Amino acid sequence: QVQLVESGGGVVQPGRSLRLSCAASGFTFSSYGMHWVRQAPGKGLEWVAVISYDGSNRNYGDSVKGRFTISRDNSKNTLYLQMNSLRVEDTAVYYCAKDTNDSPGDWGQGTLVTVSS
Amino acid sequence: SYELTQPPSVSVSPGQTARITCSGDALPKKYAYWYQQKSGQAPVLVIYEDSKRPSGIPERFSGSSSGTMATLTISGAQVEDEADYYCYSTDSSGNHVVFGGGTKLTVL
Repeated sequence: QVQLVESGGGVVQPGRSLRLSCAASGFTFSSYGMHWVRQAPGKGLEWVAVISYDGSNRNYGDSVKGRFTISRDNSKNTLYLQMNSLRVEDTAVYYCAKDTNDSPGDWGQGTLVTVSS
Repeated sequence: SYELTQPPSVSVSPGQTARITCSGDALPKKYAYWYQQKSGQAPVLVIYEDSKRPSGIPERFSGSSSGTMATLTISGAQVEDEADYYCYSTDSSGNHVVFGGGTKLTVL
């Protein structure tokens, strides 16, 4: 069965950087696009980014464009989210998800990122 | 930027039919997807491509789309269906991907 395990969350000061990882298992990782989605405390879902199966295509939400970078290492079955110039409003639980039929299908349990001074 | 609009809340009694709507200008051309999120849990996809149901999702969940509105229908809603529901889609270019604001379904 599909398993996605996020890691790398924590408390970081505004303006600093953080890299999230998502370890995938239970499916052929190199055959699927992958998403990052976030959810601020008590708020709704916000789509963050998507990367194609081979990493050749990437797309970002407007609020993170130019600051966040999605990438993947198919040899390690791992998805990444490099987050630079972090803002207080980036505080959220970050989920990775396997693309299924052009949408986030299977989801991990999330990792909490708190941006605070 | 593109937006999908959902009602903040819907309330039904057990056994009744719950309908949750999602409106967006590009929905005549783009599929809608629906997610269920129970308190403290990760979201679960319950409808994809407007009306298809993933394996393991109960038959009481169905979806439809007409014009600029997509609808998630839960026929014979049960107490365990109480959750937040989100629609998901893209603008007409496919470049802007968004979730709706979410609808809290209360079944009591």
